[in-house]
Amino acid sequence: ELKVEQNPLFLSMQEGKNYTIYCNYSTTSDRLYWYRQDPGKSLESLFVLLSNGAVKQEGRLMASLDTKARLSTLHITAAVHDLSATYFCAALPDGDDKIIFGKGTRLHILP
Amino acid sequence: DVKVTQSSRYLVKRTGEKVFLECVQDMDHENMFWYRQDPGLGLRLIYFSYDVKMKEKGDIPEGYSVSREKKERFSLILESASTNQTSMYLCASSRATGGWSYNEQFFGPGTRLTVL
Repeated sequence: ELKVEQNPLFLSMQEGKNYTIYCNYSTTSDRLYWYRQDPGKSLESLFVLLSNGAVKQEGRLMASLDTKARLSTLHITAAVHDLSATYFCAALPDGDDKIIFGKGTRLHILP
Repeated sequence: DVKVTQSSRYLVKRTGEKVFLECVQDMDHENMFWYRQDPGLGLRLIYFSYDVKMKEKGDIPEGYSVSREKKERFSLILESASTNQTSMYLCASSRATGGWSYNEQFFGPGTRLTVL
């Protein structure tokens, strides 16, 4: 059974700093997702990573996937307050339609 | 632009009432999902439907049922609402696995249900 673990679960950081959120998954998966959720709102898709070595970037966020290590990272460059949110990673088990979500990383960026 | 809508953003019901939460997607997706989200517990799958009239239990189906009579609509039913069903309910949809499908799930805005 696929399990997805994120760390850290809570992160408080200063504006302008760089940081990385890690997402490990326990069995093979060739689809890895990152979502953002603002307080009281729903989940918004950020990235879909499909293959080993995939890297995607949007503004100050960059996501990468290493399928051999079963690891995805979400890197935040020069954080700004607007990036404060909860970030979820999720993986799709081979041959399944149901994505498995991590518990989410609550990111708080201090001005 | 992809769209998943839910019938209510906020809902207040009394214990014992029958509650219907409706979800509609306009993307012709095969799969639809109902989750609940509670602080500290993340997203938990209640039910999943992979086709019209087809359904599969998720991790926490007790106290819930679902209906999918049309491809675009997936309903979550609380037969007799209880206070422990107070939560945020999220609906999502995705394409079926296969080919170049990303299987990316698109979420509705959520319904915050309070059961008194």
